[in-house]
Amino acid sequence: SQQGEEDPQALSIQEGENATMNCSYKTSINNLQWYRQNSGRGLVHLILIRSNEREKHSGRLRVTLDTSKKSSSLLITASRAADTASYFCATPLENSGYSTLTFGKGTMLLVSP
Amino acid sequence: DTAVSQTPKYLVTQMGNDKSIKCEQNLGHDTMYWYKQDSKKFLKIMFSYNNKELIINETVPNRFSPKSPDKAHLNLHINSLELGDSAVYFCASSQAGGNSPLHFGNGTRLTVT
Repeated sequence: SQQGEEDPQALSIQEGENATMNCSYKTSINNLQWYRQNSGRGLVHLILIRSNEREKHSGRLRVTLDTSKKSSSLLITASRAADTASYFCATPLENSGYSTLTFGKGTMLLVSP
Repeated sequence: DTAVSQTPKYLVTQMGNDKSIKCEQNLGHDTMYWYKQDSKKFLKIMFSYNNKELIINETVPNRFSPKSPDKAHLNLHINSLELGDSAVYFCASSQAGGNSPLHFGNGTRLTVT
């Protein structure tokens, strides 16, 4: 029932650069969420974008959603070493009545000082 | 003030044993989940509960039995542990199922030898 796929699997950049991660999904959704996971920790919610929204901002994060292409992107601007983490997109499972999130495989971001 | 807490953090045990992982949330959320994350960071939903009732069981062997004594607790009991059960198990909760952010615990790393 996994349906999110992040791209790239791994991304290595320098501090100050922007990082863009993409997510594709398969079924209809009512929202899409992005999470961050630091090594050895649980996932932390970053941002939720509803299916009737096209773009959303939160601090240095910008998320876009294209429901016609079933894809989303997460942009982190002016990255910092502390942004080093894995990033996951998640969408509600249609067959659960949208009550349960399914996650992609994640993008591992490494930001070097 | 931990929102979602799970214990133990590490669990090392031998094949064939039975073990339990406990989870508690103090956020007043109605929905709780168990996810399994494998060595490739693939995060898979196992169970979701809403108000102590099972909503979803994603093809999990019946050796895994969740128990929800009240809506703030969702424990996971595993019988006859196998090598393939080695993974990190995450508990999570949310206010409104897949339509709101999930709050994760910091995980329980289970190693079966």
